[in-house]
Amino acid sequence: QLQLQESGPGLVKPSETLSLTCTVSGGSISSSSYYWGWIRQPPGKGLEWIGSIYYSGSTYYNPSLKSRVTISVDTSKNQFSLKLSSVTAADTAVYYCARQNQVAAGTKPLPNFDYWGQGTLVTVSS
Amino acid sequence: QSVLTQPPSASGTPGQRVTISCSGSSSNIGSNYVYWYQQLPGTAPKLLIYRNNQRPSGVPDRFSGSKSGTSASLAISGLRSEDEADYYCAAWDDSLSGHVFGGGTKLTVL
Repeated sequence: QLQLQESGPGLVKPSETLSLTCTVSGGSISSSSYYWGWIRQPPGKGLEWIGSIYYSGSTYYNPSLKSRVTISVDTSKNQFSLKLSSVTAADTAVYYCARQNQVAAGTKPLPNFDYWGQGTLVTVSS
Repeated sequence: QSVLTQPPSASGTPGQRVTISCSGSSSNIGSNYVYWYQQLPGTAPKLLIYRNNQRPSGVPDRFSGSKSGTSASLAISGLRSEDEADYYCAAWDDSLSGHVFGGGTKLTVL
């Protein structure tokens, strides 16, 4: 059974960089059928896609966050990571990592997030 | 303001059929698949419907999805108390070149 687990600091100071890692177990991150994504949810609000990465390192990001986001992958550790720079209180949210199933996707990415981590709350505060 | 528009709330009584709408545009729902997620209180979202109307294994057939033009709907028949959750629609947006979610609909089982 595939499992994803987010890890990282739960508290980040304003203007600093938020860093999270997602560890994948029960399956390989190097599968050709999947992307790996980050999605966040501010307290009491809806879901926002942050960005996604392929095992080769190919990425695409939410245009509204693109200037501050970097997603990377470490296939040797079966992990992928998120960095969000210059954070403010508006970045306080539960951050989820998820597998993005692209089987038979064709030419367009699909928001087909079929496995999710439990999520981790990151608070931006001094 | 979400790119995909959902009603903030919906409700029904046990056994009833309820529908949740998701309105978009030609750049998202109008030209791409729609996905639906269920988020039970305090848990991570769960994929409920993919490719407009397909159910992953394990999802009861009480849940169904449909799409017409630039709108999509999630229908839940035989409503049960455990269906009380937040529901989100999602799609790829060609103009934004990104995945977009609806604002979510909180379903209450009365």
